[in-house]
Amino acid sequence: GAVVSQHPSRVICKSGTSVKIECRSLDFQATTMFWYRQFPKKSLMLMATSNEGSKATYEQGVEKDKFLINHASLTLSTLTVTSAHPEDSSFYICSAEDWGDNEQFFGPGTRLTVL
Amino acid sequence: AQSVTQLDSQVPVFEEAPVELRCNYSSSVSVYLFWYVQYPNQGLQLLLKYLSGSTLVKGINGFEAEFNKSQTSFHLRKPSVHISDTAEYFCAVIPTGGFKTIFGAGTRLFVKA
Repeated sequence: GAVVSQHPSRVICKSGTSVKIECRSLDFQATTMFWYRQFPKKSLMLMATSNEGSKATYEQGVEKDKFLINHASLTLSTLTVTSAHPEDSSFYICSAEDWGDNEQFFGPGTRLTVL
Repeated sequence: AQSVTQLDSQVPVFEEAPVELRCNYSSSVSVYLFWYVQYPNQGLQLLLKYLSGSTLVKGINGFEAEFNKSQTSFHLRKPSVHISDTAEYFCAVIPTGGFKTIFGAGTRLFVKA
């Protein structure tokens, strides 16, 4: 099956710093990637839909300037949490859609802890 | 708009017992249906999906699910669970012609020895 990787798997940073999370589709091209946030013992909350070569579409309530998304190629999307604060601590998961397959493939997630 | 309801937040069950995790959905259009499993601190892994055809779908790890259109349900079943099945299970839908996945709140399956 298709593989999606995320890097880093875990990151701890100081409050006020920015953190970049990468999401890569390893063996297929993904025109669309999705970024989710998951709170402890909760479901996934869609943050934004990222399309290659265009601006991301953010869900209501998600700050565009806080969570910068770049989808520069068909295999890479990045999420940058800018000026991170403790309340941004969470598990961030990306997924990529293999066009025409009606299925999303999920990355292993990135655990962000902001001190 | 679509919504997914997982009726049980937690399901404790003894090893080798059968289990059913319930999922109901609401949608004004046809949907594709999915079940995912999430182990601690990991991403989601697809268990099975229903796109069309036979309403009984078999997936990995011995799981199966049945699509019931009249009851708008897609319950997940396994005849005999193992300790290693302990995980969070998410039911999800994608509207046909759409691309956003709508997840249920999840059901924590806890298998006891």
